[in-house]
Amino acid sequence: SQQGEEDPQALSIQEGENATMNCSYKTSINNLQWYRQNSGRGLVHLILIRSNEREKHSGRLRVTLDTSKKSSSLLITASRAADTASYFCAILQGAQKLVFGQGTRLTINP
Amino acid sequence: KAGVTQTPRYLIKTRGQQVTLSCSPISGHRSVSWYQQTPGQGLQFLFEYFSETQRNKGNFPGRFSGRQFSNSRSEMNVSTLELGDSALYLCASKRVVVEPEEYFGPGTRLTVL
Repeated sequence: SQQGEEDPQALSIQEGENATMNCSYKTSINNLQWYRQNSGRGLVHLILIRSNEREKHSGRLRVTLDTSKKSSSLLITASRAADTASYFCAILQGAQKLVFGQGTRLTINP
Repeated sequence: KAGVTQTPRYLIKTRGQQVTLSCSPISGHRSVSWYQQTPGQGLQFLFEYFSETQRNKGNFPGRFSGRQFSNSRSEMNVSTLELGDSALYLCASKRVVVEPEEYFGPGTRLTVL
């Protein structure tokens, strides 16, 4: 399986701090995506990084990809209460099937 | 542009019953995928439809089925419900199959008693 594995499973930080979560996967990929899910709701696509990219930014988000280590990280800078959510990495398996990791539950404390 | 919509948002059924969930994709999106999310198994792919044809299927029993209509709207059906079918069912759409990013609906929370 190419399922991504997120680490840590849960993360609690103070507002304003940076949050880093990691994703590891098992086989070769063309791209890796990160999604956010607010409690019990649908997922929101955050960012996609291609296998030939090492780093990508989007606002307060920074994603890195290390294909040699088969790992990716998502950094959220200057966290806000609204960032409280679960974050998932996702990998395309086969042609079009998205396979998600178990997610990291991020809690931002005021 | 309106997002992906799913109906109903909440549903309570009893074991043995069947249920049909509906998904309307973003206008212009022809690919619709369904996912099941449970605390134990996480997010699992059910199936994907494109142009009314099932293109991909996850590892779920035959009790789970789906279809897509000519307007790209999709339904999924679960027959002979089991307690373990209690989950959040998410629908996602994209313009074409080869696009990696999916746009998700808010989900249908199914509770089986």
